[in-house]
Amino acid sequence: QVQLVQSGAEVKKPGASVKVSCKASGYTFSTYSIHWVRQAPGQGFEWMGVINPSGDTTSYAQNLQGRVTMTRDTSSSTVYMELSSLTSEDTAVYFCAREAARGLYYSDYWGQGTLVTVSS
Amino acid sequence: DIVMTQSPDSLAASLGERATINCKSSQNVLSPSNNKNYLVWYQQKPGQPPRLLIYWASTRESGVPDRFSGSGSGTDFTLTISSLQAEDVAVYYCQQYYISPSTFGQGTKVEIK
Repeated sequence: QVQLVQSGAEVKKPGASVKVSCKASGYTFSTYSIHWVRQAPGQGFEWMGVINPSGDTTSYAQNLQGRVTMTRDTSSSTVYMELSSLTSEDTAVYFCAREAARGLYYSDYWGQGTLVTVSS
Repeated sequence: DIVMTQSPDSLAASLGERATINCKSSQNVLSPSNNKNYLVWYQQKPGQPPRLLIYWASTRESGVPDRFSGSGSGTDFTLTISSLQAEDVAVYYCQQYYISPSTFGQGTKVEIK
């Protein structure tokens, strides 16, 4: 069965960076794009960006441009999301999610989420 | 960006009753090229990731009970739970995927009365 397993919770200080991993299994990794979406405490969802199956194309939310980097390692079926220059407003649960069909920005499988807390 | 607005913010209904959630987009999400509405519905329970319920506004995802149905077109959409069950207690979100960035509604919390 399709599974996306994310790395554990992180606590970071303002100005630091965080890198979250998302390991995929149960499907052909090189076939599907992966999206990242975050959810601030008690809030709705914010789409952060997407990385294509081969990892050579990314698209990021405009408000995160310059701070977010998405990469993927085909050998380990893992996708990474790194966010830099963290502030308290980046405190959220971060989800990776598989794109349901090529070019369609909705997801059929989601990781369990990774809580990132930014606090001094 | 397209703004998605859900109503109500929360609702409480009795077991077996119908529950209806509305979602309005600030722009049309119906594609004239394929006549499809780029709108999905998710269910999220506490401490869990979202679960895909409906895509193309009205197509039920595999394994989703048929008491869940989606309707609407253009800018106005509805998720209906025909007979509310205890396991349906959750927050429901709509999302448009017609224009990037994809955007979500603020969520509707469904409870049992």
